[in-house]
Amino acid sequence: DAKTTQPNSMESNEEEPVHLPCNHSTISGTDYIHWYRQLPSQGPEYVIHGLTSNVNNRMASLAIAEDRKSSTLILHRATLRDAAVYYCIRNSGGGADGLTFGKGTHLIIQP
Amino acid sequence: NAGVTQTPKFQVLKTGQSMTLQCAQDMNHEYMSWYRQDPGMGLRLIHYSVGAGITDQGEVPNGYNVSRSTTEDFPLRLLSAAPSQTSVYFCASSRTSTRELFFGEGSRLTVL
Repeated sequence: DAKTTQPNSMESNEEEPVHLPCNHSTISGTDYIHWYRQLPSQGPEYVIHGLTSNVNNRMASLAIAEDRKSSTLILHRATLRDAAVYYCIRNSGGGADGLTFGKGTHLIIQP
Repeated sequence: NAGVTQTPKFQVLKTGQSMTLQCAQDMNHEYMSWYRQDPGMGLRLIHYSVGAGITDQGEVPNGYNVSRSTTEDFPLRLLSAAPSQTSVYFCASSRTSTRELFFGEGSRLTVL
């Protein structure tokens, strides 16, 4: 049961914005949308999360569709250090379904 | 601020051996969890805990035991290691189950 759907990989150029899409068409009204990223040989790192409204922090912005069935992680100015696997997760906050990680999107940054 | 600390970072076991992966957090987080990550795959939830004294199974619990006697510690026990348990294991914690997760650096386990 794929709770979220992401492209397997994306490529972007350094210093350009990156928009990483995620579909979560079966999301419930109380599920949070979380984004994490994982650099090679490291543990996942929290990026951003939101419920309904768009969110901004020092790392990225999260744009959530009005129907909440999709969201987009926006890296405003990609650097080589942003090359990682990005995971979009539905967090229901309940038990074993709380945080299920799919395979994520492998983001490649070209210099 | 240490965050989430996992030990050991690397371990090699023989089939049938038992061992414990340690996880400790110093952020007073209620929620803790263990994941495994196989090559080219996402993370799969093994066990989780919503507070001291409370544990429950995740997606892939077979072959693993956990306990949560304190808020800080959440050890993962392999009862009788099998080659299929060769993986990288990540421990994570968060203030509550809906808040952001903080991950450890991982423990790479090889079972021969």
